[in-house]
Amino acid sequence: QSVLTQPPSVSAAPGQKVTISCSGSSSNIGNNYVSWYQQLPGTAPKLLIYNNNERPSGIPDRFSGSRSGTSATLGITGLQTGDEADYYCGTWDSSLTDYVFGPGTKVTVL
Amino acid sequence: QLQLQESGPGLVKPSETLSLTCTVSGGSISSGSYYWGWIRQSPGKGLEWIGSIYYSGSTYFNPSLKSRVTISVDTSNNQFSLKLSSVTATDTAVYYCARHEWFGWENWFAPWGQGTLVTVSS
Repeated sequence: QSVLTQPPSVSAAPGQKVTISCSGSSSNIGNNYVSWYQQLPGTAPKLLIYNNNERPSGIPDRFSGSRSGTSATLGITGLQTGDEADYYCGTWDSSLTDYVFGPGTKVTVL
Repeated sequence: QLQLQESGPGLVKPSETLSLTCTVSGGSISSGSYYWGWIRQSPGKGLEWIGSIYYSGSTYFNPSLKSRVTISVDTSNNQFSLKLSSVTATDTAVYYCARHEWFGWENWFAPWGQGTLVTVSS
């Protein structure tokens, strides 16, 4: 049971936008930066967003992140079939002294 | 371009010790203020941080695994290693190594190795 909560799945048609929420508490998201990871089928996770809203080099600006209070959001615009993957949020939990990941959200392109 | 590659036995017997090594290429493990971490993913499940080590040897562990985990670094061979003792079937997972960027409240993993499946079975 993760201390972070994500919806199990989201879906949308190609070209549309999806948002994935990650809900936590003051001991994690509320006081620590959030990162987001994309895991394509059969591959290792890949960093998409760090420090709540920063994109590493090579990540398209279709991917965006934000944080408000104890929740964070990943947005994907211009959805493509290649975006079908599992998406995980992650952050440090100061109370648990543990790096925690959300349970993951499966994105399906209809 | 920094790359990480996990290696080690794919099958471990219950009660024995799981041992994996991560070889870093394209950069020095002792350059920069980076930690180096291990993360695992049980079949069909989510991600779990195991622990991380600084190039100088300082370590941090997931509290739920701390009593069974050892992480070490070998700067001369640009490698770091994981040992997990007294394994059971619940330790069956894909094990990933990754560079762990950790500065105060900033914390993320990139890049990741491709992962290696370790099965615990007699």
